[in-house]
Amino acid sequence: QVTLRESGPALVSPTQTLTLTCTFSGFSLTTTGMCVNWIRQPPGKALEWLARIDWDDAKFYSTSLKTRLTISRDTSKNQVVLNMTNMDPVDTATYFCARTNYRFYFDYWSQGALVTVSS
Amino acid sequence: QTVVTQEPSLTVSPGGTVTLTCASSTGAVTSGYNPNWFQQKPGQAPRALIYNTNNRHSWTPARFSGSLLGGKAALTLSGAQPEDEAEYYCLVYYDAAYIFGTGTKVTVL
Repeated sequence: QVTLRESGPALVSPTQTLTLTCTFSGFSLTTTGMCVNWIRQPPGKALEWLARIDWDDAKFYSTSLKTRLTISRDTSKNQVVLNMTNMDPVDTATYFCARTNYRFYFDYWSQGALVTVSS
Repeated sequence: QTVVTQEPSLTVSPGGTVTLTCASSTGAVTSGYNPNWFQQKPGQAPRALIYNTNNRHSWTPARFSGSLLGGKAALTLSGAQPEDEAEYYCLVYYDAAYIFGTGTKVTVL
């Protein structure tokens, strides 16, 4: 059974760095074809893809946010971490992690965590 | 910046059929864009419905089908049920990145 769960602060201050952790089970990120993504959704708005890390440790970022994002993994803990620097109120959103197979096949999602950026 | 556009809202009668589309500002959507479709109900995470244009997940009801239609990706719901009322998002893979569509609110009424 595949599950993903994100964890991190519910509230961050402007200019701070957000660190979110996706802890997953039911698969290994070292298995060929496995990838984990971060996606966000501002309140009432559409989904936005942020970043992906692959089984071979390849990393990919949204063009518009790449200067602020870092994705990494700890395969021993089955975790993927997203760091987003210089947070702003417009970054207030629900953040999800989701698995893809061979980069193209989205299947399982986490339940989502609301992160509010406010002083 | 590539923009992926969907109909803002569509209404379907119970038991009826509705087709949602997904258009790219770069041109025709092809199978090479690997379109995926997701359903999202209020307060819930998205649920994957379709991948690689027309493949259902094991949990996807057979009334949902994916295709390419007139240069767009399409999701057809045949025999709509009240529980199908939701927001639907497409996603395409372009230039080593994923782009979500603007979303379509489907009302079953």
